[in-house]
Amino acid sequence: AQKVTQAQTEISVVEKEDVTLDCVYETRDTTYYLFWYKQPPSGELVFLIRRNSFDEQNEISGRYSWNFQKSTSSFNFTITASQVVDSAVYFCALSDNNAGNMLTFGGGTRLMVKP
Amino acid sequence: NAGVTQTPKFRVLKTGQSMTLLCAQDMNHEYMYWYRQDPGMGLRLIHYSVGEGTTAKGEVPDGYNVSRLKKQNFLLGLESAAPSQTSVYFCASSWLAGVGETQYFGPGTRLLVL
Repeated sequence: AQKVTQAQTEISVVEKEDVTLDCVYETRDTTYYLFWYKQPPSGELVFLIRRNSFDEQNEISGRYSWNFQKSTSSFNFTITASQVVDSAVYFCALSDNNAGNMLTFGGGTRLMVKP
Repeated sequence: NAGVTQTPKFRVLKTGQSMTLLCAQDMNHEYMYWYRQDPGMGLRLIHYSVGEGTTAKGEVPDGYNVSRLKKQNFLLGLESAAPSQTSVYFCASSWLAGVGETQYFGPGTRLLVL
């Protein structure tokens, strides 16, 4: 069965520090997708990135970067030069070949960026 | 273009009461989903719909019913609310049914069952 583990429940950093959020997944499928969503204090879920299992290239978007490593079943998310506005709960999720296109979510990592 | 909207934003129920949560999307998406979010557990799928008039069970369907009479709307019903159903409920939609289709979420409904 599919599973997503975010071992870090809470991380606290000072503004301008770099921070990496870990995500480890389990699936038996060879075709799957990984996602990151951000949930700011206002509560909505904001889509950040989608990555398929055949594309292991790292991705960078501004201060955000993602490192996908199939060998360790990990899809880690790094924020460079963190800002207070980055404070949120971040969820990693997996979509594999299951009925309903269900997303399997990790438990989330709460990131607090202090000024 | 409002995306995915949910009504109401917050509700308090007494045990045994019933209510319906409404989800609406204006993106012409085929797939719609209802998830619940509980502390430390991420989101779990309750029910989903692959199109107008069709629904199916997700991971945690007990105690809930759904209906999709119109393509743009997906209703989640609680016939007899229980304290265990205190949660934040999220609706989502996606364009296609394939693996990895991005799901877009509504703002959530916070439900408290006393």
